[in-house]
Amino acid sequence: EAQVTQNPRYLITVTGKKLTVTCSQNMNHEYMSWYRQDPGLGLRQIYYSMNVEVTDKGDVPEGYKVSRKEKRNFPLILESPSPNQTSLYFCASSLGQGLSYEQYFGPGTRLTVT
Amino acid sequence: GEDVEQSLFLSVREGDSSVINCTYTDSSSTYLYWYKQEPGAGLQLLTYIFSNMDMKQDQRLTVLLNKKDKHLSLRIADTQTGDSAIYFCAERRYSSASKIIFGSGTRLSIRP
Repeated sequence: EAQVTQNPRYLITVTGKKLTVTCSQNMNHEYMSWYRQDPGLGLRQIYYSMNVEVTDKGDVPEGYKVSRKEKRNFPLILESPSPNQTSLYFCASSLGQGLSYEQYFGPGTRLTVT
Repeated sequence: GEDVEQSLFLSVREGDSSVINCTYTDSSSTYLYWYKQEPGAGLQLLTYIFSNMDMKQDQRLTVLLNKKDKHLSLRIADTQTGDSAIYFCAERRYSSASKIIFGSGTRLSIRP
């Protein structure tokens, strides 16, 4: 089944403790992206990647890192999480970055930083 | 600005039509999307419309685009309890095809 998976689905952590949220897709998609969803703000893009070893900042990249060493995986790294990074995070992928390509979303990771 | 705006809540009676509205700001927007998010799930693409179209219909869904007013709407005919969800309007611009700009989402609730 074609899908985007994220792990973990839920995470509660403390300020400053490094964490990684994994994202994997099995559709051989080139384009992958991370979003955060906050009440009343919709989804805001954190980082995106157009292919292996090609990443770029989205609208809200501060406090996050990403890597794209393989086509299928696009982990999101929080080196020193802070409470303002408490949010719902979505990974998405699409065949390309062109306008007509549909983005497929993962199920989301709910992160709480205390 | 970059805003895509939607009202936050909509309540309709089961069997009635739901109309969810959205306004966007960039006239260069090329693709406009409607996504559905059910509780605890990711976003699912419902439908999209290219900016040279005025209307698109797909079963119970009708999308209307008014380019002059930069207004997009999603009409759901014969609304069912399974339509309860958050609906996001989103735009993708020719100038920055690498990102999609989302509205804040409209929570649709169905009353009996």
